[in-house]
Amino acid sequence: DAKTTQPTSMDCAEGRAANLPCNHSTISGNEYVYWYRQIHSQGPQYIIHGLKNNETNEMASLIITEDRKSSTLILPHATLRDTAVYYCIVRVYSGAGSYQLTFGKGTKLSVIP
Amino acid sequence: GAGVSQSPSNKVTEKGKDVELRCDPISGHTALYWYRQRLGQGLEFLIYFQGNSAPDKSGLPSDRFSAERTGESVSTLTIQRTQQEDSAVYLCASSSGQGSYGYTFGSGTRLTVV
Repeated sequence: DAKTTQPTSMDCAEGRAANLPCNHSTISGNEYVYWYRQIHSQGPQYIIHGLKNNETNEMASLIITEDRKSSTLILPHATLRDTAVYYCIVRVYSGAGSYQLTFGKGTKLSVIP
Repeated sequence: GAGVSQSPSNKVTEKGKDVELRCDPISGHTALYWYRQRLGQGLEFLIYFQGNSAPDKSGLPSDRFSAERTGESVSTLTIQRTQQEDSAVYLCASSSGQGSYGYTFGSGTRLTVV
């Protein structure tokens, strides 16, 4: 159970902001939201994570709604190299000190010249 | 090292043979994960190691799959009597702890069973 719902694919014009939505309506109070991306033939790359506050780093911004049931990853100025599959993940505590990242199918973002 | 290193990067094996995949995590990372990714699919969790605790093996698909890790260093994933459905990219990730840290993935081992 991936616990997240994302659109299958999205297009974004080069230079524009890419806004990738994610629904996680069953998230629990202590579960973090992580975003990763995977460029073809590479391992997933960490982008950002958050609990309830909005977060920003050099790659992206993460906006989490007040009820924490959804979030949006923002790439402020998309480039062709941002074309990838973007995964929104809820990190789940699976017991005995173990945490799991359960990957869904993600959103295939295509940045168009 | 600077990142998570996996070897070999590619492996072709005959059905029925055993294979061993290796993962070198980032130095000092106590948590280590193995995932499997079939062509065009998302990542499937296989196994998780955290320090000297008993590993979480809940994702291993059958008893042909096993993994070991010595302390907080190298891990090996072994697949016995490989089947064609084992063909996939096997990804390893490490993390610095149980807190809200990012997980760093290696580039994976592409396994092809013929």
